[in-house]
Amino acid sequence: GAVVSQHPSWVICKSGTSVKIECRSLDFQATTMFWYRQFPKQSLMLMATSNEGSKATYEQGVEKDKFLINHASLTLSTLTVTSAHPEDSSFYICSARGLDMNTEAFFGQGTRLTVV
Amino acid sequence: GEDVEQSLFLSVREGDSSVINCTYTDSSSTYLYWYKQEPGAGLQLLTYIFSNMDMKQDQRLTVLLNKKDKHLSLRIADTQTGDSAIYFCAERRGGGNKLTFGTGTQLKVEL
Repeated sequence: GAVVSQHPSWVICKSGTSVKIECRSLDFQATTMFWYRQFPKQSLMLMATSNEGSKATYEQGVEKDKFLINHASLTLSTLTVTSAHPEDSSFYICSARGLDMNTEAFFGQGTRLTVV
Repeated sequence: GEDVEQSLFLSVREGDSSVINCTYTDSSSTYLYWYKQEPGAGLQLLTYIFSNMDMKQDQRLTVLLNKKDKHLSLRIADTQTGDSAIYFCAERRGGGNKLTFGTGTQLKVEL
């Protein structure tokens, strides 16, 4: 299957700082990327959908100014958690789908964010 | 409704079959998926089924879909310790792009 790489795998940051998480499609062009958040022992909650070259579509209740998403190229999307606080600590997962992929979205390995 | 429900936990003995169940509510679902998540990792797509099918088999995996009852199941034959993980079902609704995930079932395989 197609490969999606997320970086970093884990990050610890101080409260008030910003953190950037990268999601790359390594062997296909990702026209659409999705960002999810997962709390311990819970399901994935979709935060936003981004299409290359356009603004991300955020799900209800997700602050777009806090979670900045950029999808500037067909192989890279970034999620920046601005002014992070301990309650932002979570597991963040991206997935990517190519133009010719009607059925599948491939997932990155996730990023564990801990804000102290 | 929005909910995709799964039982939280399933324990089986190595070599037995595992059946993980999922119920969904949206009749416009086009594709239904099963993903596997190992601790601290992302999701691995195991298999998927189109909504006009009622069964799909892929090696040790068998997916059954009862569209009338909105019930999806994943059967893993000859379950191994390496199958221990959390399993998520997910649905793709209508012509939409995004997936709605179930609550996840933790499968524990015991020797």
